[in-house]
Amino acid sequence: VQLVQSGGGVVEPGGSLRLSCEVSGFIFRDAWMVWVRQAPGKGLEWIGRIKSESDGGTVDYASPVKGRFFISRDDSKNTLFLQMNGLETEDTGVYYCTTALRWGQGSQVTVSS
Amino acid sequence: SYDLTQPPSVSVSPGQTATITCSGDGLAKYFVSWFQQRPGHAPVTVIFKDNQRPSRIPDRFSAAVSGTRVTLTISGVQAEDEADYYCQSVDISGAWRFGGGTKLTVL
Repeated sequence: VQLVQSGGGVVEPGGSLRLSCEVSGFIFRDAWMVWVRQAPGKGLEWIGRIKSESDGGTVDYASPVKGRFFISRDDSKNTLFLQMNGLETEDTGVYYCTTALRWGQGSQVTVSS
Repeated sequence: SYDLTQPPSVSVSPGQTATITCSGDGLAKYFVSWFQQRPGHAPVTVIFKDNQRPSRIPDRFSAAVSGTRVTLTISGVQAEDEADYYCQSVDISGAWRFGGGTKLTVL
């Protein structure tokens, strides 16, 4: 099982970034996928979750990112996405995709002017 | 602030047993997981569904739930176990809840 993340980088406040998480080694379409982030020197913070299409494909978000971040999936490409808009300095941190059992390697997102 | 309460730090000598607690309302209702995070690395799941251990995790890791308190126990602690440990559960909407993390120091 592997979760390989891409995307991330440095962006100015108000900008946008998209993270990807390509998975292999399990049946992605059946998996509920989660994004978690970690601000520098801080603990883990849940961003949101997308259910499998067979379970409705519902997406839920944490309050700090609701309306700015959007989680989606492409089951044909075994890939999970996190579209981040209206980025704020407080969004700086490492972002992880996870199945709850396995984790991606993390993507650094820095929001700075 | 974090929804689940963990001690900030725990210290043990090699070979001893480390116990890390996690408390919060509703823990008895939903499954709890534990994540290990070494400095500069992604988290690793060491316990899921309260007390299940992924196959790649050594059997010195165990966990138990008692009411609103859960406990991660690491028996025969080794130097490589030094890390931050986070407990995690969900709320009624399915949103994840985390503890603030416990830094395990192996003396």
